[in-house]
Amino acid sequence: DAGITQSPRHKVTETGTPVTLRCHQTENHRYMYWYRQDPGHGLRLIHYSYGVKDTDKGEVSDGYSVSRSKTEDFLLTLESATSSQTSVYFCAISEGGAQVANEKLFFGSGTQLSVL
Amino acid sequence: AQSVTQPDIHITVSEGASLELRCNYSYGATPYLFWYVQSPGQGLQLLLKYFSGDTLVQGIKGFEAEFKRSQSSFNLRKPSVHWSDAAEYFCAVNTNAGKSTFGDGTTLTVKP
Repeated sequence: DAGITQSPRHKVTETGTPVTLRCHQTENHRYMYWYRQDPGHGLRLIHYSYGVKDTDKGEVSDGYSVSRSKTEDFLLTLESATSSQTSVYFCAISEGGAQVANEKLFFGSGTQLSVL
Repeated sequence: AQSVTQPDIHITVSEGASLELRCNYSYGATPYLFWYVQSPGQGLQLLLKYFSGDTLVQGIKGFEAEFKRSQSSFNLRKPSVHWSDAAEYFCAVNTNAGKSTFGDGTTLTVKP
């Protein structure tokens, strides 16, 4: 299994509070991703990173920010959590070589976030 | 923008029966296509992928998929389903920038 650790695994928070989720990898992969999974919506990309300090938005980035100061860590922050952000959040990584489109994703085990 | 459609939300098959899960994609360039499987409480795991060459690709756990450009499809098949195959299955297409777009998933139930 790829070395991907997400923390926390579960979190309950209140509306309006800031929340930070952490993804840590030991594979030295270049690309890192944050997805959210909701029933009936599959996985939707929030943000991704193609290198240290290099990030870009995905299809559902509103209300989220990310940071990557080291290769191994990719942080997802909800500045002011809302109930619509209750979801399961998955971190994924890929090697990001010359054929990046052909590379598979390795997934973490997910973080269940509940915003009350 | 690319998109993926999995028409079947839920499929039930008997153990030992054959399986086909449908996937249709929309993408303007050469598609890079993937099938992933997710067991309850887990992240996704790659079953197989296609980017060029032989249109019939083999994956892990006895799964295969056939790419049909004329139909924009990449259907997943297995000749004989085992109870342990019960899971959720996701089809995905990658862009040249390495971003993956997923379908909404198909939940497979296996009857004894």
